[in-house]
Amino acid sequence: QSALTQSASVSGSPGQSITISCTGTSSDVGGYNYVSWYQQHPGKAPKLMIYDVSYRPSGVSDRFSGSKSGNTASLTISGLQAEDEADYYCSSYTRSNSLVFGGGTKLTVL
Amino acid sequence: EGQLVESGGGLVQPGGSLRLSCAASGFTFNTFDMNWVRQAPGKGLEWVSAITGSGGRTYFADSVKGRFTISRDNSKNTLYLQMSSLRAEDTAVYYCAKASAGRTLAALDYWGQGTLVTVSS
Repeated sequence: QSALTQSASVSGSPGQSITISCTGTSSDVGGYNYVSWYQQHPGKAPKLMIYDVSYRPSGVSDRFSGSKSGNTASLTISGLQAEDEADYYCSSYTRSNSLVFGGGTKLTVL
Repeated sequence: EGQLVESGGGLVQPGGSLRLSCAASGFTFNTFDMNWVRQAPGKGLEWVSAITGSGGRTYFADSVKGRFTISRDNSKNTLYLQMSSLRAEDTAVYYCAKASAGRTLAALDYWGQGTLVTVSS
């Protein structure tokens, strides 16, 4: 199972909005609404930010939102804040009964 | 609030074996499916394995199939990963993670702090 495709890095200024994309295939992202997004700060464990494409766990800021179109899922962060600087990973359930992650996107808040 | 604490990592020679443990607390362990996810130094996340709440079904990444075994002891609220025939490319921080209700291979909402496995001679 090949990793989902994410851009390596993205940046934005405080207050701006950014979008991170995650491209898979019809066997994973496009075939199921089981896309999740995780935030990971250096040296820390990942944190679930979005699940089932667009749902936020309790306690996650509504500045984080998710969507999907075809084989590509997206994570949008609005009103960028310094603490949003982290690595972001998408994941998807796959047709072969496995879980696949994206390669990760490093978000820099300028 | 749930908590997961991994243990058992360390240095092991290529071809060797190691068993990781993950102690769970703060939630009804036997009702949730569990996963192992690893992260090689400086690299991204890689899913390794999953097990249903009852332990009746298990899932493995192709990269570890036949070498790793996942199990759980619901009486001890503990998840295990038995690793054998270890290779240098298995070197990583290994995280245990809980799946959200009704899911197995999705929405991992609690994560441990990770335990480092180093495979080297």
